[in-house]
Amino acid sequence: GQQLNQSPQSMFIQEGEDVSMNCTSSSIFNTWLWYKQDPGEGPVLLIALYKAGELTSNGRLTAQFGITRKDSFLNISASIPSDVGIYFCAGRRWTSGSRLTFGEGTQLTVNP
Amino acid sequence: DVKVTQSSRYLVKRTGEKVFLECVQDMDHENMFWYRQDPGLGLRLIYFSYDVKMKEKGDIPEGYSVSREKKERFSLILESASTNQTSMYLCASSLSQGNEQFFGPGTRLTVL
Repeated sequence: GQQLNQSPQSMFIQEGEDVSMNCTSSSIFNTWLWYKQDPGEGPVLLIALYKAGELTSNGRLTAQFGITRKDSFLNISASIPSDVGIYFCAGRRWTSGSRLTFGEGTQLTVNP
Repeated sequence: DVKVTQSSRYLVKRTGEKVFLECVQDMDHENMFWYRQDPGLGLRLIYFSYDVKMKEKGDIPEGYSVSREKKERFSLILESASTNQTSMYLCASSLSQGNEQFFGPGTRLTVL
């Protein structure tokens, strides 16, 4: 199945820095989701977006549904060591039923 | 809170063995999914089910089968395990019209 283009693949930052990552596609999606996966665990849903242009926050996390419906962005402000993990974007198209398309993930490392 | 549980966190099997991975969800979700996760390849859908006794192939069904006899339980079966099936296996569930999938903690399977 098609994968979303997620970037960057990895990030190494200092505690306190802000982080940005994004997902792009050549296809239109009607839902964008952002997940975080801690080492050895399953992904946990962070934010869900349902409308083009929508901006949603969850604590220090903010995500946006791109106007073109072909991209989404996740920002983390004032990073802390427990932000370490893999962040995945996922999208759902009208034609795909309940199936999601996943990005390959962004591995985030936060140095104290 | 949605809870998705998987029968084992770690499993070691030998080539040729029949392997059962069990997944149970407690939120009366109609849809259930099995993924495998490999470094650099992201999450790939093996099979999914949208109702009891119903199943559909995902992107990589070869070498796997599934069973859904009860709504809350979805089993992944490796009829004859091979070393290339060594991977992290993730189960997820969602409502029939839902966008969000909720994941279990994963089973790390090693086939020797």
